[in-house]
Amino acid sequence: GNSVTQMEGPVTLSEEAFLTINCTYTATGYPSLFWYVQYPGEGLQLLLKATKADDKGSNKGFEATYRKETTSFHLEKGSVQVSDSAVYFCALGVTEGGSYIPTFGRGTSLIVHP
Amino acid sequence: GAVVSQHPSWVICKSGTSVKIECRSLDFQATTMFWYRQFPKQSLMLMATSNEGSKATYEQGVEKDKFLINHASLTLSTLTVTSAHPEDSSFYICSARVGVGQPQHFGDGTRLSIL
Repeated sequence: GNSVTQMEGPVTLSEEAFLTINCTYTATGYPSLFWYVQYPGEGLQLLLKATKADDKGSNKGFEATYRKETTSFHLEKGSVQVSDSAVYFCALGVTEGGSYIPTFGRGTSLIVHP
Repeated sequence: GAVVSQHPSWVICKSGTSVKIECRSLDFQATTMFWYRQFPKQSLMLMATSNEGSKATYEQGVEKDKFLINHASLTLSTLTVTSAHPEDSSFYICSARVGVGQPQHFGDGTRLSIL
């Protein structure tokens, strides 16, 4: 089956610190990979995506590279802000038998202090 | 583009009541929508895949008769929690995809509280 494992939180950082949230996956087939962000009381928003090996997704200063050899899709940001405090979900999607199957990690809470 | 609207955002009702949650794709057609339940401490559980014009595909362990899903049009899917009880209290989120190879776009969720 498919699975996504991401580091447990909360991750607590000071403003302008470097962020890494690890994500690894197992999948049957060739998945697309995603990072979503959820702010308190809201639904999930797509942060970035990558659809094939070595693709780098980027948005709002966040980056993640699709590493097929290590089955990883780690999220990074060079300098976090207080406004980045949220829960981050790593996810994959595969199409099997004509059906799209999404799989999410458990989420990692990020807390950024001024 | 790719906006998904979910309604209501918050509902409080008595035990035994049935509650309907709507999920609409506002600017695209979605043949497939997804319903999730989010538990405390963030974990997101896929409940079912809603297919326009056909029956929903439920994940293992999800009661079909408890969580009724109807996908009557290409822009609307509904989740009805029948005879809701306090243990059904949760945050329910829907999503839809614009097309093949595209990511999911999520609604803002519905906070359901059963008294």
